[in-house]
Amino acid sequence: AQSVTQLDSHVSVSEGTPVLLRCNYSSSYSPSLFWYVQHPNKGLQLLLKYTSAATLVKGINGFEAEFKKSETSFHLTKPSAHMSDAAEYFCVVSGRGTGGGNKLTFGTGTQLKVEL
Amino acid sequence: DTGVSQNPRHKITKRGQNVTFRCDPISEHNRLYWYRQTLGQGPEFLTYFQNEAQLEKSRLLSDRFSAERPKGSFSTLEIQRTEQGDSAMYLCASSLDPGVYNEQFFGPGTRLTVL
Repeated sequence: AQSVTQLDSHVSVSEGTPVLLRCNYSSSYSPSLFWYVQHPNKGLQLLLKYTSAATLVKGINGFEAEFKKSETSFHLTKPSAHMSDAAEYFCVVSGRGTGGGNKLTFGTGTQLKVEL
Repeated sequence: DTGVSQNPRHKITKRGQNVTFRCDPISEHNRLYWYRQTLGQGPEFLTYFQNEAQLEKSRLLSDRFSAERPKGSFSTLEIQRTEQGDSAMYLCASSLDPGVYNEQFFGPGTRLTVL
């Protein structure tokens, strides 16, 4: 079984300052990890995914995440926050279900607030 | 490619009534997933189809829930005898490649409120 823990339910930053959203995972095998973003009244959008090709993963809108096996972490970062980054962010682990499909297990989410 | 669509976007019903939601995946996506998201939580897996075959159901999917994908295209999720605890956002996602790294594309969801 796999799971993810998002360490902060709310994060508040000032526009132009760095963003750090923390995620730890638990998996009995090499995990597939994702970050999704959910803006109000919009569907979940994939930010980035870890495919084991590189530990530092770059995503859309300037976000990136680093896979650290020794720390079982997959933290999401951005050098400079923008007002449009305000949203809910989910750390997600993918595992093979009993039917062969890819079940996504979501964390509880981190609400990012960006202030002027 | 118009993305995953879901209808209705909002549904308000009285306890005990039946409701049905529809999901239209991205065309040619052979895999379709249903998730449920309650307030303040991340989405939770409900069930999954490959083409028209329902291959897995979560224990969250009680006997009052049924999902179909009759022609391997759109899918419906029906809840019978709704309860207040069914109030949630119901999300649909689709994907094409069976690889574990492949992205699931999500629809905007159907928000259900049971009074």
